[in-house]
Amino acid sequence: DIVMTQSPDSLAVSLGERATINCKSSQSVLYSSNNKNYLAWYQQKLGQPPKLLIYWASTRESGVPDRFSGSGSGTDFTLTISSLQAEDVAVYYCQQYYSTPYSFGQGTKLEIK
Amino acid sequence: EVQLVESGGGLVQPGGSLRLSCAASGFTFSSYDIHWVRQATGKGLEWVSAIGTAGDTYYPGSVKGRFTISRENAKNSLYLQMNSLRAEDTAVYYCARDGKSVAGTGGFDIWGQGTMVTVSS
Repeated sequence: DIVMTQSPDSLAVSLGERATINCKSSQSVLYSSNNKNYLAWYQQKLGQPPKLLIYWASTRESGVPDRFSGSGSGTDFTLTISSLQAEDVAVYYCQQYYSTPYSFGQGTKLEIK
Repeated sequence: EVQLVESGGGLVQPGGSLRLSCAASGFTFSSYDIHWVRQATGKGLEWVSAIGTAGDTYYPGSVKGRFTISRENAKNSLYLQMNSLRAEDTAVYYCARDGKSVAGTGGFDIWGQGTMVTVSS
């Protein structure tokens, strides 16, 4: 089974500053036949279901603001929020959908400093 | 509007059974793989099961042999039959659409609001 590990567990960033969340998988989630990383990022606000932000490690879901970006390949990935807004306060999860059992990171709680 | 709506949650005793439902609307349900994901209060997300368009099913070890996922395309509905329930199965259960099934997008692109399952005596 693939284990997803996020860092840090929590993060406090000032409004307008950059926030960076890391995700590491225990084995590569890069599928060689199509050169795609089977890695997604989700945002979950309090009392709401998760919302898909990024898929294929770096493709922004429709409607997601361009301050959100994803990068990385193989086993190491990053979610970056370029300029933190108040509405970005949430828990963020990475997920691999390369192989079952699909697995999520433990989550990173993002707060305003 | 593309939507998933879960129902069927509630309080059940340890060892008991419960059947969750997920009603889909606004898209061609039969064309998509669908998943169940759960979240214990204050905890992270745990993938529970998946069903493909051909009816193929997948489970993690924590629920294999106890949970059964099924779908009824004519009713645009997904189900999760949960047997031999344990206290650690207590969670909000979400159904979620697999984006890569049709549009080639990845991840789970549509989620329901969830239904709460509590296993307690």
